[in-house]
Amino acid sequence: AQSVAQPEDQVNVAEGNPLTVKCTYSVSGNPYLFWYVQYPNRGLQFLLKYITGDNLVKGSYGFEAEFNKSQTSFHLKKPSALVSDSALYFCAVRDLYSGAGSYQLTFGKGTKLSVIP
Amino acid sequence: EPEVTQTPSHQVTQMGQEVILRCVPISNHLYFYWYRQILGQKVEFLVSFYNNEISEKSEIFDDQFSVERPDGSNFTLKIRSTKLEDSAMYFCASSESGGYNEQFFGPGTRLTVL
Repeated sequence: AQSVAQPEDQVNVAEGNPLTVKCTYSVSGNPYLFWYVQYPNRGLQFLLKYITGDNLVKGSYGFEAEFNKSQTSFHLKKPSALVSDSALYFCAVRDLYSGAGSYQLTFGKGTKLSVIP
Repeated sequence: EPEVTQTPSHQVTQMGQEVILRCVPISNHLYFYWYRQILGQKVEFLVSFYNNEISEKSEIFDDQFSVERPDGSNFTLKIRSTKLEDSAMYFCASSESGGYNEQFFGPGTRLTVL
Protein backbone atom coordinates (compact mmCIF):
# COMPACT_ATOMS: atom_id res chain seq x y z
CA ALA A 1 0.00 0.00 0.00
CA GLN A 2 1.14 3.52 -0.68
CA SER A 3 0.44 6.63 1.37
CA VAL A 4 1.38 10.29 1.60
CA ALA A 5 1.44 12.60 4.58
CA GLN A 6 1.42 16.37 4.47
CA PRO A 7 1.83 17.30 8.11
CA GLU A 8 0.83 20.95 7.80
CA ASP A 9 -2.70 22.01 6.93
CA GLN A 10 -1.51 25.57 6.37
CA VAL A 11 1.77 27.33 5.78
CA ASN A 12 2.09 31.09 6.03
CA VAL A 13 5.10 32.88 4.60
CA ALA A 14 5.96 36.49 3.89
CA GLU A 15 6.42 37.54 0.30
CA GLY A 16 10.05 37.30 -0.73
CA ASN A 17 10.90 34.71 1.92
CA PRO A 18 11.74 31.10 1.09
CA LEU A 19 8.92 28.60 1.42
CA THR A 20 8.80 24.90 2.18
CA VAL A 21 5.79 22.62 1.98
CA LYS A 22 6.45 19.24 3.55
CA CYS A 23 5.61 15.78 2.25
CA THR A 24 6.53 12.30 3.41
CA TYR A 25 5.56 9.08 1.70
CA SER A 26 5.34 5.36 2.19
CA VAL A 27 5.59 2.78 -0.59
CA SER A 28 6.60 -0.85 -0.82
CA GLY A 29 9.03 -0.33 -3.70
CA ASN A 30 10.51 2.75 -5.32
CA PRO A 31 8.40 5.88 -5.52
CA TYR A 32 7.34 8.14 -8.31
CA LEU A 33 6.59 11.47 -6.60
CA PHE A 34 4.59 14.43 -7.82
CA TRP A 35 3.54 17.88 -6.70
CA TYR A 36 0.34 19.49 -7.90
CA VAL A 37 -1.13 22.92 -7.17
CA GLN A 38 -4.80 23.83 -7.06
CA TYR A 39 -6.00 27.39 -7.42
CA PRO A 40 -9.59 28.26 -6.44
CA ASN A 41 -12.16 26.79 -8.85
CA ARG A 42 -9.42 25.19 -10.93
CA GLY A 43 -8.21 21.65 -11.43
CA LEU A 44 -4.94 20.23 -10.20
CA GLN A 45 -1.97 21.62 -12.10
CA PHE A 46 1.20 19.58 -12.38
CA LEU A 47 4.27 21.29 -10.89
CA LEU A 48 7.07 18.73 -10.90
CA LYS A 49 7.95 15.08 -10.49
CA TYR A 50 10.70 12.79 -9.27
CA ILE A 51 11.23 9.55 -11.11
CA THR A 52 14.90 8.76 -10.73
CA GLY A 53 18.29 10.46 -10.84
CA ASP A 54 19.12 13.83 -9.32
CA ASN A 55 17.47 14.25 -5.93
CA LEU A 56 16.73 17.91 -6.60
CA VAL A 57 14.09 18.38 -9.25
CA LYS A 58 13.04 21.68 -10.73
CA GLY A 59 9.56 22.46 -11.93
CA SER A 60 7.20 25.17 -13.02
CA TYR A 61 7.01 28.72 -11.60
CA GLY A 62 10.40 28.48 -9.86
CA PHE A 63 9.43 25.57 -7.60
CA GLU A 64 11.78 22.74 -6.80
CA ALA A 65 11.60 19.66 -4.62
CA GLU A 66 14.18 17.54 -2.89
CA PHE A 67 13.86 13.77 -2.76
CA ASN A 68 15.33 12.24 0.39
CA LYS A 69 15.15 8.46 0.35
CA SER A 70 16.40 7.93 3.89
CA GLN A 71 13.79 10.28 5.31
CA THR A 72 11.13 9.23 2.76
CA SER A 73 10.45 12.89 2.09
CA PHE A 74 9.80 15.04 -0.94
CA HIS A 75 9.50 18.63 0.30
CA LEU A 76 8.48 21.39 -2.07
CA LYS A 77 10.55 24.57 -1.98
CA LYS A 78 10.86 27.96 -3.55
CA PRO A 79 13.61 30.48 -2.77
CA SER A 80 11.39 33.56 -2.87
CA ALA A 81 7.62 33.36 -2.41
CA LEU A 82 5.15 35.41 -4.41
CA VAL A 83 1.64 36.40 -3.37
CA SER A 84 0.44 34.59 -6.51
CA ASP A 85 1.85 31.32 -5.10
CA SER A 86 -1.00 31.28 -2.58
CA ALA A 87 -2.93 28.08 -3.33
CA LEU A 88 -3.51 24.50 -2.21
CA TYR A 89 -0.56 22.17 -2.77
CA PHE A 90 -0.85 18.41 -3.08
CA CYS A 91 1.89 15.81 -2.91
CA ALA A 92 1.21 12.48 -4.65
CA VAL A 93 2.98 9.15 -4.95
CA ARG A 94 2.88 6.11 -7.16
CA ASP A 95 4.72 2.92 -6.28
CA LEU A 96 6.94 1.83 -9.16
CA TYR A 97 6.28 -1.77 -8.24
CA SER A 98 2.56 -1.53 -7.65
CA GLY A 99 1.95 -3.88 -10.52
CA ALA A 100 1.43 -3.77 -14.25
CA GLY A 101 -1.48 -1.54 -15.14
CA SER A 102 -1.55 0.17 -11.76
CA TYR A 103 -1.00 3.86 -12.27
CA GLN A 104 -3.16 5.36 -9.58
CA LEU A 105 -1.81 8.29 -7.66
CA THR A 106 -2.23 8.48 -3.91
CA PHE A 107 -2.54 12.05 -2.70
CA GLY A 108 -1.86 13.80 0.55
CA LYS A 109 -4.63 15.89 2.08
CA GLY A 110 -3.12 19.11 0.80
CA THR A 111 -1.41 22.11 2.34
CA LYS A 112 -2.81 25.59 2.01
CA LEU A 113 -0.04 28.06 1.30
CA SER A 114 -0.69 31.71 2.10
CA VAL A 115 1.91 34.24 1.03
CA ILE A 116 1.49 37.47 2.92
CA PRO A 117 2.35 40.75 1.16
CA GLU B 1 -1.54 24.44 -24.38
CA PRO B 2 -3.80 21.36 -24.50
CA GLU B 3 -5.92 20.73 -21.44
CA VAL B 4 -8.48 18.35 -20.04
CA THR B 5 -12.00 19.73 -20.05
CA GLN B 6 -14.99 18.61 -18.00
CA THR B 7 -18.71 19.27 -18.20
CA PRO B 8 -20.79 20.31 -16.41
CA SER B 9 -18.89 22.36 -13.87
CA HIS B 10 -21.65 21.80 -11.33
CA GLN B 11 -24.37 19.16 -11.29
CA VAL B 12 -27.20 19.03 -8.78
CA THR B 13 -29.29 15.88 -8.65
CA GLN B 14 -31.78 14.08 -6.45
CA MET B 15 -30.80 10.96 -4.57
CA GLY B 16 -31.44 7.86 -6.65
CA GLN B 17 -31.05 9.64 -9.98
CA GLU B 18 -28.47 8.73 -12.60
CA VAL B 19 -25.78 11.22 -13.52
CA ILE B 20 -23.20 11.25 -16.28
CA LEU B 21 -20.08 13.33 -15.91
CA ARG B 22 -18.22 14.13 -19.08
CA CYS B 23 -14.56 14.68 -19.83
CA VAL B 24 -12.51 15.39 -22.92
CA PRO B 25 -8.94 14.19 -22.28
CA ILE B 26 -5.90 15.60 -24.05
CA SER B 27 -6.05 14.29 -27.59
CA ASN B 28 -2.85 12.21 -27.80
CA HIS B 29 -3.22 10.70 -24.34
CA LEU B 30 -3.95 7.02 -23.97
CA TYR B 31 -4.68 6.60 -20.26
CA PHE B 32 -7.69 8.10 -18.53
CA TYR B 33 -8.63 8.38 -14.89
CA TRP B 34 -11.35 9.52 -12.54
CA TYR B 35 -10.65 10.80 -9.05
CA ARG B 36 -12.93 12.39 -6.52
CA GLN B 37 -12.52 14.75 -3.60
CA ILE B 38 -15.13 14.91 -0.91
CA LEU B 39 -15.16 18.35 0.68
CA GLY B 40 -12.30 18.70 3.13
CA GLN B 41 -10.86 15.29 2.34
CA LYS B 42 -8.12 13.82 0.18
CA VAL B 43 -8.26 13.37 -3.56
CA GLU B 44 -9.12 9.68 -4.04
CA PHE B 45 -8.55 7.42 -7.02
CA LEU B 46 -11.64 5.84 -8.55
CA VAL B 47 -10.69 4.15 -11.81
CA SER B 48 -8.19 4.05 -14.65
CA PHE B 49 -9.01 3.18 -18.27
CA TYR B 50 -6.81 2.10 -21.13
CA ASN B 51 -7.43 0.49 -24.48
CA ASN B 52 -11.19 0.65 -23.95
CA GLU B 53 -11.24 -1.22 -20.72
CA ILE B 54 -10.81 -0.61 -17.01
CA SER B 55 -7.23 -1.27 -15.99
CA GLU B 56 -7.64 -0.62 -12.29
CA LYS B 57 -10.37 0.44 -9.88
CA SER B 58 -10.58 1.27 -6.22
CA GLU B 59 -12.98 -0.14 -3.66
CA ILE B 60 -15.03 3.06 -4.02
CA PHE B 61 -15.78 2.16 -7.65
CA ASP B 62 -18.61 -0.28 -7.01
CA ASP B 63 -21.38 -1.50 -9.29
CA GLN B 64 -23.07 1.90 -9.18
CA PHE B 65 -20.21 3.37 -11.18
CA SER B 66 -19.28 2.81 -14.79
CA VAL B 67 -16.96 4.45 -17.30
CA GLU B 68 -17.09 4.63 -21.05
CA ARG B 69 -15.25 6.13 -23.96
CA PRO B 70 -18.20 6.43 -26.35
CA ASP B 71 -16.19 8.04 -29.16
CA GLY B 72 -12.66 9.13 -29.90
CA SER B 73 -12.72 12.15 -27.65
CA ASN B 74 -15.09 11.80 -24.68
CA PHE B 75 -14.61 9.86 -21.48
CA THR B 76 -17.59 9.56 -19.17
CA LEU B 77 -18.31 8.53 -15.60
CA LYS B 78 -21.82 7.32 -14.86
CA ILE B 79 -23.27 6.95 -11.40
CA ARG B 80 -26.37 4.81 -11.75
CA SER B 81 -28.25 5.66 -8.57
CA THR B 82 -26.72 8.52 -6.66
CA LYS B 83 -26.40 8.59 -2.91
CA LEU B 84 -25.90 11.54 -0.60
CA GLU B 85 -22.33 10.41 0.02
CA ASP B 86 -21.53 10.68 -3.69
CA SER B 87 -21.51 14.46 -3.29
CA ALA B 88 -17.96 15.46 -4.17
CA MET B 89 -15.74 17.13 -6.74
CA TYR B 90 -14.98 14.66 -9.52
CA PHE B 91 -11.76 15.11 -11.46
CA CYS B 92 -10.94 13.56 -14.78
CA ALA B 93 -7.28 13.10 -15.71
CA SER B 94 -5.28 11.77 -18.62
CA SER B 95 -1.69 10.81 -19.34
CA GLU B 96 0.37 9.94 -22.39
CA SER B 97 1.31 6.61 -20.99
CA GLY B 98 0.86 4.80 -17.74
CA GLY B 99 4.46 4.74 -16.64
CA TYR B 100 6.13 7.73 -15.15
CA ASN B 101 4.19 10.32 -17.11
CA GLU B 102 2.36 12.90 -15.08
CA GLN B 103 -1.40 12.95 -15.12
CA PHE B 104 -3.11 16.10 -16.32
CA PHE B 105 -6.29 17.01 -14.49
CA GLY B 106 -9.44 18.76 -15.59
CA PRO B 107 -11.11 21.53 -13.57
CA GLY B 108 -13.57 19.13 -11.99
CA THR B 109 -17.33 18.68 -11.78
CA ARG B 110 -18.91 19.46 -8.46
CA LEU B 111 -21.69 16.92 -7.87
CA THR B 112 -24.30 17.76 -5.26
CA VAL B 113 -26.78 15.03 -4.34
CA LEU B 114 -29.86 16.23 -2.48
